[in-house]
Amino acid sequence: AQSVTQLDSQVPVFEEAPVELRCNYSSSVSVYLFWYVQYPNQGLQLLLKYLSGSTLVKGINGFEAEFNKSQTSFHLRKPSVHISDTAEYFCAVGSSNTGKLIFGQGTTLQVKP
Amino acid sequence: KAGVTQTPRYLIKTRGQQVTLSCSPISGHRSVSWYQQTPGQGLQFLFEYFSETQRNKGNFPGRFSGRQFSNSRSEMNVSTLELGDSALYLCASSLEGGQYNNEQFFGPGTRLTVL
Repeated sequence: AQSVTQLDSQVPVFEEAPVELRCNYSSSVSVYLFWYVQYPNQGLQLLLKYLSGSTLVKGINGFEAEFNKSQTSFHLRKPSVHISDTAEYFCAVGSSNTGKLIFGQGTTLQVKP
Repeated sequence: KAGVTQTPRYLIKTRGQQVTLSCSPISGHRSVSWYQQTPGQGLQFLFEYFSETQRNKGNFPGRFSGRQFSNSRSEMNVSTLELGDSALYLCASSLEGGQYNNEQFFGPGTRLTVL
């Protein structure tokens, strides 16, 4: 069965420091990978997606992620975070086999001044 | 373009009642998906509609139902409410295709509290 694991529930980091939010998935078929961000009292917004092609994907707000098929991972990175990046981040995996999108449990990024 | 709108934003009901939530997708979007978000279970897929037909569904009891109208607006209904139904219900729309390989645009959600 398809599953998504976000390895850290909370990640505290100081402003201007780099950050990596980890995501691993399990699926036996081709997958489509997404990172969404949710700010307080708002819906989710797409940060970036991997459908095919280059394994390094660049998204909005300076975020990027790398698809690693052998390690079944899709970690999200940003070289220098801002206070405004404080939010909850969700990794999601879609499968053409099931037609469904499965979300991870989310990682709360807390950026401290 | 206006974003995805959901009404109402907040709702308080008591056990045993039923509730209907509404979602208006972005103009031109034909696919609408619904999700339940809770602190314990995270984001769970409820169902997806495309051109008035349910294209996919998650693992929820039959008390949860939905429909989509010809203008792509969608409603979901929960009957015989239970305390565990308290959650943020999110609606998302996409142009076409499946939810699994297309960007979805989310509404702000409806916060349902069951007392």
